[in-house]
Amino acid sequence: DIQLTQSPSSLSASVGDRVTFTCRASQSLNIYLNWYQQKPGKAPKLLISAASNLRIGVPSRFSGSGSGTDFTLTISSLQPEDFATYYCQQSYSTLITFGQGTRLDIK
Amino acid sequence: QVQLQESGPGLVKPSGTLSLTCGVSGDSISSNFWWTWVRQPPGKGLEWIGEIYHTGNTNYNPSLESRVAMSVDMSQNHFALKLTSVTAADTAVYYCARGPRVASRDPPDYWGQGTLVTVSS
Repeated sequence: DIQLTQSPSSLSASVGDRVTFTCRASQSLNIYLNWYQQKPGKAPKLLISAASNLRIGVPSRFSGSGSGTDFTLTISSLQPEDFATYYCQQSYSTLITFGQGTRLDIK
Repeated sequence: QVQLQESGPGLVKPSGTLSLTCGVSGDSISSNFWWTWVRQPPGKGLEWIGEIYHTGNTNYNPSLESRVAMSVDMSQNHFALKLTSVTAADTAVYYCARGPRVASRDPPDYWGQGTLVTVSS
């Protein structure tokens, strides 16, 4: 199985802050790394696919980058609705795996 | 707008079988997508269970493969999950989702709202 390690596991930040999350894979994924946002009691919402492709309707303050084994998700200016848990997911392998998540809290 | 909706019993006895259905609207189950199941134990992360194509082709998580079966009902435009010999460790919110697109590595895009299944006597 491909292991995904997200860091940090949790983060406290304020509205307007710029935050970056990291996802590291146990083997190269090329660009096949995706990011989801999940709010309590809700299904995951796809934000970014293939490392950097912003899904239609997702605000431009979200951006993704990386290739190979190291990937980042950046939120350029936090909004109140962005406080949630973020998961990376790899679709390089047929056996899809997720990172353990990064919880973003209000400071 | 594509919508998915999970349905099934919320309580299953230990050693029993968990059975869920995912109804799809806004797309055809015979379209060019795989259909996926993911679960999330309370307070924990996401686990991919497997996927099915309308032809009946499946891919399962090896950790669950001996207990999982998925099926498709094109007349009802839904797909189903069965998980046998359940234990408390199978207690989770179960999600169905659309994707990936065939011959792509796109991630699942549309998800159901999820349904909590508790394994308890």
